[in-house]
Amino acid sequence: QKEVEQNSGPLSVPEGAIASLNCTYSDRGSQSFFWYRQYSGKSPELIMFIYSNGDKEDGRFTAQLNKASQYVSLLIRDSQPSDSATYLCAVTNPGTALIFGKGTTLSVSS
Amino acid sequence: DAGVTQSPTHLIKTRGQQVTLRCSPKSGHDTVSWYQQALGQGPQFIFQYYEEEERQRGNFPDRFSGHQFPNYSSELNVNALLLGDSALYLCASSPGTAGNTIYFGEGSWLTVV
Repeated sequence: QKEVEQNSGPLSVPEGAIASLNCTYSDRGSQSFFWYRQYSGKSPELIMFIYSNGDKEDGRFTAQLNKASQYVSLLIRDSQPSDSATYLCAVTNPGTALIFGKGTTLSVSS
Repeated sequence: DAGVTQSPTHLIKTRGQQVTLRCSPKSGHDTVSWYQQALGQGPQFIFQYYEEEERQRGNFPDRFSGHQFPNYSSELNVNALLLGDSALYLCASSPGTAGNTIYFGEGSWLTVV
């Protein structure tokens, strides 16, 4: 059974701080990794994807991948109240469906 | 550029009834996947359609069926509805089946009473 694990939270950070969201996965053969943001009552929105070990930066967001440890993380710098949402980690191999974690709820206080 | 569109957005059904949900993929996308998201859970994969055929299926009973049309749009059908089928049903589209970036529609909220 392929699994993706996330701490459900809530993770609470003050405005302007760095939020760190973590995800582990069980399938060592996984090749593609995604972070989605989901506001309450809305559908998931793709934030970032990463395929290679290391860091990938996009604006205030940085995805980090460590395949040896089967670990992927998302850092949000200068967190804003509008970043308050549930963040879903998803993992896949080419030709297979995305497997999602349950999500981590982030709360940014002003 | 229209994104993934789904209909209806909300619906209420009674146990034992049948429901059909519809999805139009993002322009240029030929693959449609359906996910079920229960409250407090991540999306769970139901099945994927490509070239009008079911290509992959998740761990869902045969009560869940689907179809893809020549214009790549898709339907999800659920028969003999159970209370546990109450969830947000998400359609996602992608260019091909490689499992790369997929984009979700706004979803259809199904409540079974």
